[in-house]
Amino acid sequence: AQSVTQPDIHITVSEGASLELRCNYSYGATPYLFWYVQSPGQGLQLLLKYFSGDTLVQGIKGFEAEFKRSQSSFNLRKPSVHWSDAAEYFCAVGARDDKIIFGKGTRLHILP
Amino acid sequence: ETGVTQSPTHLIKTRGQQVTLRCSSQSGHNTVSWYQQALGQGPQFIFQYYREEENGRGNFPPRFSGLQFPNYSSELNVNALELDDSALYLCASSLDQGLAGIWQFFGPGTRLTVL
Repeated sequence: AQSVTQPDIHITVSEGASLELRCNYSYGATPYLFWYVQSPGQGLQLLLKYFSGDTLVQGIKGFEAEFKRSQSSFNLRKPSVHWSDAAEYFCAVGARDDKIIFGKGTRLHILP
Repeated sequence: ETGVTQSPTHLIKTRGQQVTLRCSSQSGHNTVSWYQQALGQGPQFIFQYYREEENGRGNFPPRFSGLQFPNYSSELNVNALELDDSALYLCASSLDQGLAGIWQFFGPGTRLTVL
């Protein structure tokens, strides 16, 4: 069955520290992969997406993600977090003719 | 260029009632997708409309229905509301009719509370 697992419900990092949010997926074929961010009271904003090609994907706000087929992972990284990065982050998987499936999200907290 | 807008922002209904949520797609977008996001969960795909036709549906019962109008705005209707229907309902619009919504933009959502 197709699924997305975000193992960490909450993550706390200090401002300026590096960040990695984990995402593992189960999908029958090479999927489209996404990371979205949701701030309180806001809709979802697309950070980055992977369809094919270079497995290291650059996104907005200084985020990047790496697709590792052998590990079925698509982890999100940022070298130095800012207080404004505090939000909920969702990993998602889909295909052109198949609905998108979201993980349950990881809540990121930033310590000053 | 306006973004995706949804109305109302918040809504309180009682069990058994019916509700209609509205979404105005981003200018030029012809595809609208609806998602349900329960508390503490990721969004779940309800259905998608492309040029006024339903283009795909998730695992939601028939009491969840929708419409898309010629101007590509959309409505989500839920009949016979249940307590579990309490959630944030998100609308997303895109130019791409693919179900994964590769280029979709989300609205801020409607928070529905069923008492």
